[in-house]
Amino acid sequence: DTGVSQNPRHKITKRGQNVTFRCDPISEHNRLYWYRQTLGQGPEFLTYFQNEAQLEKSRLLSDRFSAERPKGSFSTLEIQRTEQGDSAMYLCACLDPVPNEQFFGPGTRLTVL
Amino acid sequence: GENVEQHPSTLSVQEGDSAVIKCTYSDSASNYFPWYKQELGKGPQLIIDIRSNVGEKKDQRIAVTLNKTAKHFSLHITETQPEDSAVYFCAHLSVRGTYKYIFGTGTRLKVLA
Repeated sequence: DTGVSQNPRHKITKRGQNVTFRCDPISEHNRLYWYRQTLGQGPEFLTYFQNEAQLEKSRLLSDRFSAERPKGSFSTLEIQRTEQGDSAMYLCACLDPVPNEQFFGPGTRLTVL
Repeated sequence: GENVEQHPSTLSVQEGDSAVIKCTYSDSASNYFPWYKQELGKGPQLIIDIRSNVGEKKDQRIAVTLNKTAKHFSLHITETQPEDSAVYFCAHLSVRGTYKYIFGTGTRLKVLA
């Protein structure tokens, strides 16, 4: 257990529905990342936050995706109008800047039918 | 160039033998190179990392080497055990105007008892 929690762990939804995932990081870690991982691939960077500020978004993050970290603590990732291609594992990680270690949560596995 | 190439994609070794996984990156500004182990149903977990100011780092049965001139780094696991079986990812930290981690495509290691 890394201390990073994600909910839900699994989500099955129908195409066109909206879904929201939550990440609760280690409280002292002010940098938070979201990644997407598909089968047989490494995690792909989606976006990251420094406290409540979203500093970068990947080109992978279409306008159907939005992430927030309102108080610089937990974060949410919302996907609107889901498509089958959105099926993947969504990972959250927080960063301890000293010594630069990322701590990953267990992920939320999304299946879009 | 932010990509990182990882080889091999699968690796089977006999228990007690050594395993070597190699990664090549293209971003000369990268200065931090972590390795992650991912077990089924879990997020990646950091197992060892190396910074650009050193060429080798060792932690018990695990070692990492870095050749900044050639832009490649390798993970070495000695005296492999069945519990080493997992998917291993290399990564590097891209610092070109941002602060994001780029992952390799993973190596599935199977240690045969």
